[in-house]
Amino acid sequence: EVQLVESGGGLVQPGGSLRLSCSVFGFTFSSYAMHWVRQAPGKGLEYVSAISSNGGSTYYADSVKGRFTMSRDNSKNTLYLQMSSLRAEDTAVYYCVRGLNDFWSGEDYFEYWGQGTLVTVSS
Amino acid sequence: SFVLTQPPSVSVAPGKTASITCGGNYIGTKSVHWYQQRPGQAPVLVIYYGFDRPSGIPARFSGSKSGNSATLTISRVEAGDEADYYCQVWDTSSDHVVFGGGTKLTVL
Repeated sequence: EVQLVESGGGLVQPGGSLRLSCSVFGFTFSSYAMHWVRQAPGKGLEYVSAISSNGGSTYYADSVKGRFTMSRDNSKNTLYLQMSSLRAEDTAVYYCVRGLNDFWSGEDYFEYWGQGTLVTVSS
Repeated sequence: SFVLTQPPSVSVAPGKTASITCGGNYIGTKSVHWYQQRPGQAPVLVIYYGFDRPSGIPARFSGSKSGNSATLTISRVEAGDEADYYCQVWDTSSDHVVFGGGTKLTVL
């Protein structure tokens, strides 16, 4: 059974940093691109970032580019999102999502999601 | 950037049919995917590639496309279908995923 388990969320002050982790089970992690999607309280889904299966390529939405860094450790079956210079508008539930193949493409859809971890940016 | 437009809310009586639209330029040329999100839960894929259903999704859920609009149709609506629904496409011009703003389905 495919499982994605996020951790690392919490309360952080504006300008601070936080690292999210996503541990995966039930599939060959190194074969799949991975994604982060977030959802601000009471709002819709927002695509955040993606990383290829070998970690060699990454994509970031304009809203987080230069502040967030996505990485992965295929030996530990773990995905990371390092967030810095956090702003109030980064407050959201962050979902770890499995891709379809080793790289993202125009045909991608998201069948497997984690339960999400809440990040709150507030003083 | 590419924009997907969904109605904020749709209401339907139990047993009736709900239709949720997703509008966007040239959406007929794109693969459209739909997600259901119940309160406090992660999104669940209900339709992919416009028409296909993942295993475990009832046949009451179906998808279609016409012109600049895609539609998620839920037949014989049940109370458990009450949720937010999001459409999703890949914007080839910016090379990233785009979600619609979401539609809250209320079962009367």
